[in-house]
Amino acid sequence: DADVTQTPRNRITKTGKRIMLECSQTKGHDRMYWYRQDPGLGLRLIYYSFDVKDINKGEISDGYSVSRQAQAKFSLSLESAIPNQTALYFCATSDNRGIEQFFGPGTRLTVL
Amino acid sequence: SQKIEQNSEALNIQEGKTATLTCNYTNYSPAYLQWYRQDPGRGPVFLLLIRENEKEKRKERLKVTFDTTLKQSLFHITASQPADSATYLCALDMAGGYQKVTFGIGTKLQVIP
Repeated sequence: DADVTQTPRNRITKTGKRIMLECSQTKGHDRMYWYRQDPGLGLRLIYYSFDVKDINKGEISDGYSVSRQAQAKFSLSLESAIPNQTALYFCATSDNRGIEQFFGPGTRLTVL
Repeated sequence: SQKIEQNSEALNIQEGKTATLTCNYTNYSPAYLQWYRQDPGRGPVFLLLIRENEKEKRKERLKVTFDTTLKQSLFHITASQPADSATYLCALDMAGGYQKVTFGIGTKLQVIP
């Protein structure tokens, strides 16, 4: 079984809709991250959480919110989706040394 | 402004040769630099991390160098194989723990049999 899972894997939605992307991990890591990847821009950090009570904004948090429901679960929400949020979204985890990140398989989101 | 550049969008190399990928940056002072591999449709996979006070790091056929004066990291794959074909990303981590991390757009490596 995969250590980091993301649901859904693909999603098409319309402008203005609320969307939630979910991430679960079985690695027992405290640290979890959300990134988006766009062609020609590379991965960009949206939010990160170092434990259940810790939430921090990343480089591009505007238009997004997160919830850390448990050590193993970290959800990303788009309150009102817009077309420029069309991207590939990745969840990642790391242990407290923060040396290596483990990425999920990604969610491809299209906002029409 | 801050910029991170990875050499060319694609690099083709003959099997058995050494592939060298470049990561250049300006206006950053990273504490750490990481290299990741990404296959199409999949999440990145961690390969190596090198600290600002380290010159070189090796792992099996992989070698990374880090020159903070030149603001450059070189990533080498020796005895390259077709299975090494993938996109390779470098990441600059300013503070450690990926709190302030910037990823490059990657270099696509194609190893030709």
